Amino acid sequence: GAGVSQSPSNKVTEKGKDVELRCDPISGHTALYWYRQRLGQGLEFLIYFQGNSAPDKSGLPSDRFSAERTGESVSTLTIQRTQQEDSAVYLCASSQGQGREKLFFGSGTQLSVL
Amino acid sequence: QKEVEQDPGPLSVPEGAIVSLNCTYSNSAFQYFMWYRQYSRKGPELLMYTYSSGNKEDGRFTAQVDKSSKYISLFIRDSQPSDSATYLCATIETSGSRLTFGEGTQLTVNP
Repeated sequence: GAGVSQSPSNKVTEKGKDVELRCDPISGHTALYWYRQRLGQGLEFLIYFQGNSAPDKSGLPSDRFSAERTGESVSTLTIQRTQQEDSAVYLCASSQGQGREKLFFGSGTQLSVL
Repeated sequence: QKEVEQDPGPLSVPEGAIVSLNCTYSNSAFQYFMWYRQYSRKGPELLMYTYSSGNKEDGRFTAQVDKSSKYISLFIRDSQPSDSATYLCATIETSGSRLTFGEGTQLTVNP
C-alpha cells in the first residue's frame, strides 16, 4: 500500500477484555515498530521486529502485552485483560532498514478502556 | 530522569514569528537526531534528520545540534498556521535499533 495502515482506528473495550490491533507496513519494509502514546506524552517504545531476527520485546510493559509479525508483513499487537491505564494511541511504524532509517508511521489505533 | 527532555508547551505564536523548539538529552551514546511533526489524530512524520553538531537547513526549518551540551533545537522561520502541530525530537545510538522520543511540544500558529 501507499502507507502504513492500522486497524481499527478506534477501539472501545471494557476492562478485562482482550483486544487485537493490526498493522500493515509499507511493502518491502523489513523493520516494524510498535509505540504507545498516552495523552499529552511522548512515544513509548513497545516492540521491534527486523526481518527474521528475534524481536526486541524490551519495551513491553507487562506480560499482558504480546505481538507477532508474519514474515515481513502484517503485525498484530494483543493486549490481554485490558486495564484502564492501557488507554492510549498505539502507533505502528515501518522502515526499510533499522534504527537510523526514516520511520513511516500509521495514524494509530485509539484504544479506550472503560 | 528521562533520557530526552522536551518542554511540552503549549506554545502559541502569531503568524510570521520565529519559533524555537528545544530538547536536551542525557545519553552520550545518542548520535543521530531527528525532528518529527505530528498533526492531530495522525502519526508522526519525519521533518529533519541530522548527525553532526552544527546547523542543517531545509527551507524554513533549521535543525541545530550541540553535542557538547547535549542540546538540540528546531527553528521555524516565517511560521504559518499550517505549522500548527506537535513537534517531537528523537534520537538514537549509532548502533541502536529504536528511537527515543521527547514528550513533544504542541505549537499553535495564529493567523
